[in-house]
Amino acid sequence: QVQLQESGPGLVKPSETLSLSCTVSGYSINTGYYWGWIRQPPGKGLEWIGSIHQSGSGYYNPSLKRRVSISVDTSKNQFSLKLTSVTAADTAVYFCARGGIGPAQGWFDPWGQGTLVTVSS
Amino acid sequence: QSVLTQPPSASGTPGQRVTISCSGSSSNIGSNFVYWYQQLPGTAPKLLIYRNNQRPSGVPDRFSGSKSGTSASLAVSGLRSEDEADYYCAAWDDSLSGRGWVFGGGTKLAVL
Repeated sequence: QVQLQESGPGLVKPSETLSLSCTVSGYSINTGYYWGWIRQPPGKGLEWIGSIHQSGSGYYNPSLKRRVSISVDTSKNQFSLKLTSVTAADTAVYFCARGGIGPAQGWFDPWGQGTLVTVSS
Repeated sequence: QSVLTQPPSASGTPGQRVTISCSGSSSNIGSNFVYWYQQLPGTAPKLLIYRNNQRPSGVPDRFSGSKSGTSASLAVSGLRSEDEADYYCAAWDDSLSGRGWVFGGGTKLAVL
C-alpha cells in the first residue's frame, strides 16, 4: 500500500529556506498522479501549498507562489518542497499527500504523518 | 480567513445526527467537486468523502455528503465517541486571482 514520509529539519531560522522531502513507498511516483504539500499551523486549519506531477509540471497556492518551489526526483521516488524567506508565520506541521490525476481532479489520499517545522532564531 | 466557510464547532450526543456545513462560491464549490477530510487528534487528515457524496472503502455509511449550489454538507448519523475529530471541506478553486485547492477552516465535532 502507498505510504508517504516527510523528512527535513525541524527548526529553520527566519529569512532562511525551509526544505522538506517526501519519500513515497509501495507505489511508483511515475504513475501519472499529482503529489502535494499541505500545511497546518499549530491549532489552525489546513492550507494547500502546491502540487507537482511526475513530469515536473506544478501548481502553487497564489499566496505562496513567490516563495515556493516543488520538485520531483523519480529516481529516488521522492518529491521535495522549498519555501524561501520564512517567517514565524510559516511555523506549521507540513504534510505530503498523493493527489489526483489532474491538478483539479482527485483528492489527497493518502497523507504522510506530517512533520513540524518551527521558524525561530 | 479561509475561502470556504465552516462553523468552528458542532456537537451531539451518541446516536444523534449532526450536520456540518461548508459554504463557498461559484468558482469553487459551485463548479467543482467537494471533498471532506477527518482529522483525529494528533493525526494526519484522512479522506472521508470524495466527489461530493462518495465514500472510500472502509468509511462507515454513517457518514454522508451532499452539495447544492455553492454549499455542501457533511452528515454524521448514529454519532459515536470515535467521531470526535476535526472535519475539513475542500474544493478546487478557479478564481481569477489564482487557481488551486482551498480548504474550509475546519469544524471541531464534540460528542457529548
